[in-house]
Amino acid sequence: EADIYQTPRYLVIGTGKKITLECSQTMGHDKMYWYQQDPGMELHLIHYSYGVNSTEKGDLSSESTVSRIRTEHFPLTLESARPSHTSQYLCASSAPALTGWGSPLHFGNGTRLTVT
Amino acid sequence: QKEVEQDPGPLSVPEGAIVSLNCTYSNSAFQYFMWYRQYSRKGPELLMYTYSSGNKEDGRFTAQVDKSSKYISLFIRDSQPSDSATYLCAMNRGSNYKLTFGKGTLLTVNP
Repeated sequence: EADIYQTPRYLVIGTGKKITLECSQTMGHDKMYWYQQDPGMELHLIHYSYGVNSTEKGDLSSESTVSRIRTEHFPLTLESARPSHTSQYLCASSAPALTGWGSPLHFGNGTRLTVT
Repeated sequence: QKEVEQDPGPLSVPEGAIVSLNCTYSNSAFQYFMWYRQYSRKGPELLMYTYSSGNKEDGRFTAQVDKSSKYISLFIRDSQPSDSATYLCAMNRGSNYKLTFGKGTLLTVNP
């Protein structure tokens, strides 16, 4: 059973609206991530955080912003949604690395965003 | 050239078949290799990881790495309908580096 929760699961919204995608985890993980997933495409990292008040942009440029005020909460905000933002957004967290390769990413079930 | 190439399929096999899923990569710095499984409308979950050339077995699943050819494989023996999912390969240079994912291969196992 997933210990990382994303809401809403589905969101259809009009162009220009401000939206916030919620992500919470109950595992106490310091590291959290936002990925973007489009059909037939690789998972792309758009934001990550290694702890409270720490946020960094990922490999894929994104107009979204994130915040990390609490360990368990890592929301993603789009100030003005556009059709090009239509995608699936996956939140993940991971525990401190115990081995050389790191530790597993625990993913939420995603938010499928459609901007009309 | 993409760092990780994975045939997206789709791949459809009968129940009981042996399935081979593959990825190639171009960055010789990659040292750690993972396979994630993603069921429809769910997030990915780690299935297996390995860091050395050779085979690693876990039940019906075997992960194989050939660093000289920059080629990794996931074999599923006695495939079951419950194995129907998208399988994503992922790799990195170590714990301080982010994961690079393949596109994923959609597998359907027909009863």
